[in-house]
Amino acid sequence: GQNIDQPTEMTATEGAIVQINCTYQTSGFNGLFWYQQHAGEAPTFLSYNVLDGLEEKGRFSSFLSRSKGYSYLLLKELQMKDSASYLCAVRGGSYIPTFGRGTSLIVHP
Amino acid sequence: DGGITQSPKYLFRKEGQNVTLSCEQNLNHDAMYWYRQDPGQGLRLIYYSQIVNDFQKGDIAEGYSVSREKKESFPLTVTSAQKNPTAFYLCASSIGTGIGKNIQYFGAGTRLSVL
Repeated sequence: GQNIDQPTEMTATEGAIVQINCTYQTSGFNGLFWYQQHAGEAPTFLSYNVLDGLEEKGRFSSFLSRSKGYSYLLLKELQMKDSASYLCAVRGGSYIPTFGRGTSLIVHP
Repeated sequence: DGGITQSPKYLFRKEGQNVTLSCEQNLNHDAMYWYRQDPGQGLRLIYYSQIVNDFQKGDIAEGYSVSREKKESFPLTVTSAQKNPTAFYLCASSIGTGIGKNIQYFGAGTRLSVL
C-alpha cells in the first residue's frame, strides 16, 4: 500500500514564499504529482516529478528526493488567489495515483 | 473545447434510492476514474477504467457500481448499499495509466447529499 503525509494547514503572507512538504512510502514509484484545488472546484495539475531534483514552472517549483520519499512544492511571490488546497499524489507500482489529504494554504494580506 | 463534464452539479438522494452520476469526456482519453472527497480528506479512489468494457475496484468500491460501454462515458451509480453517500464526487480522465506523465484532468464535481 501507500502512505502519504502532508501538513493539514499552512498560512503565509502575500508576497512571501511558502514550502509545502509531502512525504510518502510506496511499493514501487512511478512519479509524484502536485495539484491545486480551490474550494468546491476541480483539482488542476501543477507539476510532475519522476526523477530527483527541482522542476521550476513560473512562480511554482517542485522538488523530489526518491531515496528520502520526500517532495515539496515551493510557491514564490504569493498572491491571494493562491489560497487553496494543494494535493500531493504518488503513483506507485500500479500506476494509479494515490492522493494525500491535501494542505490547505491560507494567504493573508 | 475539450474537457470533462460532470452532471448534475448537485444531487439529492432519498433513503433506499440508487442515483447515477454522469461523467463525459471528449479528450479521447483511455483511462477514467471516480474519486470521493470528504471534508478535510484527500481524494479516495472508488473505481477506475483503463479501457472500454473494463474497470477495476479502487480503495472504497463497496456500495458503488460503474460501467464503461463507451470511451467517452463513465457513469457512477451510488447504490442503496452505500450507507454514507454524502460527499463531493470527482471524475477524472487521463491519456492512459502506464509509463509517462498521464496527467489527470478533473471534472467540476457532483455534490451528493442524502435527504
